[in-house]
Amino acid sequence: EVLLQQSGPELVKPGASVKIPCKASGYTFTDYNMDWVKQSHGKSLEWIGDINPNNGGTIYNQKFKGKATLTVDKSSSTAYMELRSLTSEDTAVYYCAREVYYYGSSYRFAYWGQGTLVTVSA
Amino acid sequence: DIQMTQSPSSLSASLGERVSLTCRASQEISGYLSWLQQKPDGTIKRLIYAASTLDSGVPKRFSGSRSGSDYSLTISSLESEDFADYYCLQYASYPFTFGSGTKLEIK
Repeated sequence: EVLLQQSGPELVKPGASVKIPCKASGYTFTDYNMDWVKQSHGKSLEWIGDINPNNGGTIYNQKFKGKATLTVDKSSSTAYMELRSLTSEDTAVYYCAREVYYYGSSYRFAYWGQGTLVTVSA
Repeated sequence: DIQMTQSPSSLSASLGERVSLTCRASQEISGYLSWLQQKPDGTIKRLIYAASTLDSGVPKRFSGSRSGSDYSLTISSLESEDFADYYCLQYASYPFTFGSGTKLEIK
């Protein structure tokens, strides 16, 4: 069974950074790209970027360049997203999501983590 | 960026009723569209990919279709567990973008 396990809520101070894990299990971690998505309270979803766990290659939404950094630790099958210089605008739930392949084609966002709430407050 | 215009933003319906949600893409996305369901606890589940293919385990009362740049999600007969938020998502080109969501409530 594919599982994406995210961590519990984080309370961080303005100006600080936070690193959110997404621990994968039930499949070969390096075989599938991982996407990250932001959902501010009561709002829709925004795509932050994706990472290829095999080679660490990343693609970011221009809006989140400089804000988010995606990395992986292959030894622990964990993807990470670090958010820096946090402000109240970064208060949101952050999700990781994995693609699947059918007949050689990638279909994104097939599996989702449960989300991590990041609250930025002094 | 491709804009996904989703309607309606909210919908009140009764058990057993048939409902349809729509997303219009601002550019060609060639069917690279999914529908997602989000429950009140935040859990997100993909229902449909490639515009009309049902994910494994998703009840057959859900269906997806395309007419030009308009994409629709139809629930043929609402059940209690269907009352949730729904989002469309295009993954045709970067950056991937989501619709603004539809809140489906019980009448």
